[in-house]
Amino acid sequence: KAGVTQTPRYLIKTRGQQVTLSCSPISGHRSVSWYQQTPGQGLQFLFEYFSETQRNKGNFPGRFSGRQFSNSRSEMNVSTLELGDSALYLCASSSWALETQYFGPGTRLLVL
Amino acid sequence: ELKVEQNPLFLSMQEGKNYTIYCNYSTTSDRLYWYRQDPGKSLESLFVLLSNGAVKQEGRLMASLDTKARLSTLHITAAVHDLSATYFCAVDMNGAGGTSYGKLTFGQGTILTVHP
Repeated sequence: KAGVTQTPRYLIKTRGQQVTLSCSPISGHRSVSWYQQTPGQGLQFLFEYFSETQRNKGNFPGRFSGRQFSNSRSEMNVSTLELGDSALYLCASSSWALETQYFGPGTRLLVL
Repeated sequence: ELKVEQNPLFLSMQEGKNYTIYCNYSTTSDRLYWYRQDPGKSLESLFVLLSNGAVKQEGRLMASLDTKARLSTLHITAAVHDLSATYFCAVDMNGAGGTSYGKLTFGQGTILTVHP
């Protein structure tokens, strides 16, 4: 079974630009969660989608948004990028509530 | 607000020695996960602990959960260099009757280095 995939793997953007990251969950998984990982703040939850609905959202500004498609693939968008948005963005999928989340390889975003 | 704290944050071990990483959390939950992260890599699931008293073992690693004490431990037996990585515990609040869907709250991580 293929794992969680994320594209692109690396991105360099400049302040003020916007970026879209993509995540394809494990086949059959309907829940997709997104996390931001930075050296200073650690791993922080961004949001979770299930059946195209956002069920939960972390404490991030409205510049961070996401969506999920009918095939469970998910995208997250960050508008008006700031230097502090430089991070590793991880998505994770799971098939049912008690199961662990399976993480993708991440997208490393650098904002200059 | 749920807080998850790990200690120690840095652990330098000699090969062959035993040690324990502790994970304390602030709010009732009966779901706890351990992950491993190698430098520049993603998170790999190690253990899923879903009830009080749960104990799981894989190779030189053993994890346990005490929901009454709000404590999980990750015990390393006879460490080898391949275990060098960052270890995270994460708590899932959804089981506590809440609506915290899909949200794991992570500890700070323990950077483990095993040297000869």
